[in-house]
Amino acid sequence: ELKVEQNPLFLSMQEGKNYTIYCNYSTTSDRLYWYRQDPGKSLESLFVLLSNGAVKQEGRLMASLDTKARLSTLHITAAVHDLSATYFCAVGAGGTSYGKLTFGQGTILTVHP
Amino acid sequence: DAEITQSPRHKITETGRQVTLACHQTWNHNNMFWYRQDLGHGLRLIHYSYGVQDTNKGEVSDGYSVSRSNTEDLPLTLESAASSQTSVYFCASSNTRRGPLGDTQYFGPGTRLTVL
Repeated sequence: ELKVEQNPLFLSMQEGKNYTIYCNYSTTSDRLYWYRQDPGKSLESLFVLLSNGAVKQEGRLMASLDTKARLSTLHITAAVHDLSATYFCAVGAGGTSYGKLTFGQGTILTVHP
Repeated sequence: DAEITQSPRHKITETGRQVTLACHQTWNHNNMFWYRQDLGHGLRLIHYSYGVQDTNKGEVSDGYSVSRSNTEDLPLTLESAASSQTSVYFCASSNTRRGPLGDTQYFGPGTRLTVL
């Protein structure tokens, strides 16, 4: 059974600082997704990582995937208040379960002055 | 523009009543999913479908059912609503074909259900 763990689950950051959110998963997969959820809203796709070594960047966020270590990271550079949200990673299932994603617990990020 | 919609957005019902939540997508995606989101539990998969007439149980399927009669819709039915089913429900859809976006799931706006 695929298990996905994020850490930390809660992250309080000062504006301007850097930090990394980690996503570990338990079985082989070559597909990992990051989503953002604002309070009271739906989930929005941020990054699609489909191969070992994949790196994607959007503004102050950068995501990477190491399939050998079964690890993805979401790096935040020079945080700003607008990045405050909950971030989820999701890992794709293999074989006949293609399409099914397993989500991490989510990391609640708060950026304060 | 393609989209995924849910209705109603808010629903209050009583214990024991049958409730149906609608999900409609215009992405022409084969895959559709229902999740519930509760504080401390993240997103939990209730049921999913890979195409018309196909349905599968997720990790928290007890008390819920779905049916898929066309590509666009996957309604979720609570047979006899219980207070433990008070939650926010999200519908999502994704493409079957492997492409640059993989099996990215696109989420609807959610339905907040309260069972009294």
